[in-house]
Amino acid sequence: KAGVTQTPRYLIKTRGQQVTLSCSPISGHRSVSWYQQTPGQGLQFLFEYFSETQRNKGNFPGRFSGRQFSNSRSEMNVSTLELGDSALYLCASSPGEGGTEAFFGQGTRLTVV
Amino acid sequence: GEDVEQSLFLSVREGDSSVINCTYTDSSSTYLYWYKQEPGAGLQLLTYIFSNMDMKQDQRLTVLLNKKDKHLSLRIADTQTGDSAIYFCAERNDYKLSFGAGTTVTVRA
Repeated sequence: KAGVTQTPRYLIKTRGQQVTLSCSPISGHRSVSWYQQTPGQGLQFLFEYFSETQRNKGNFPGRFSGRQFSNSRSEMNVSTLELGDSALYLCASSPGEGGTEAFFGQGTRLTVV
Repeated sequence: GEDVEQSLFLSVREGDSSVINCTYTDSSSTYLYWYKQEPGAGLQLLTYIFSNMDMKQDQRLTVLLNKKDKHLSLRIADTQTGDSAIYFCAERNDYKLSFGAGTTVTVRA
């Protein structure tokens, strides 16, 4: 059974640009959550999607957005990139909404220069 | 509150037991988790425990939960070099996971 797949693994972007990250959850899982990991702030919750709907959102500015498709794949978008957006972005897959088990992908390492 | 605290570093000799400690503040947490992160990798779910349990054992891993003191620990028996990593404690608050800062475990020969 394939795990959580995040693409791309690495990205380098310039300040002011926008970026889209992709996450394919484990087959059969319908909930996808996104987390940002930085050395200074640690792991912080961005948002959760279930059945193509954003169920919950963390304390991030509106530049951070996302969506979920009918096949449960999810994308997150960050517009007008800032240096502080440099981070490891992790996607977690759960069978249901707020599921007990959350399985993470390898993450996308975003560097903003 | 949603603060999860862990000690930052642990050094252990190969073959010994490791004990990583964590405290949390939200008494309504339903599940508590331990994740492992190796360099350049994502988070690997090691184990989790339901808040009404005291202990859970899974091969070399033993989780102890003291709900009264909001204290969680992870014991790794017979620690191996492959256990060197960052270990995160997390609590589930409704829809999200709140993580500690992580404990870096170094296994020395």
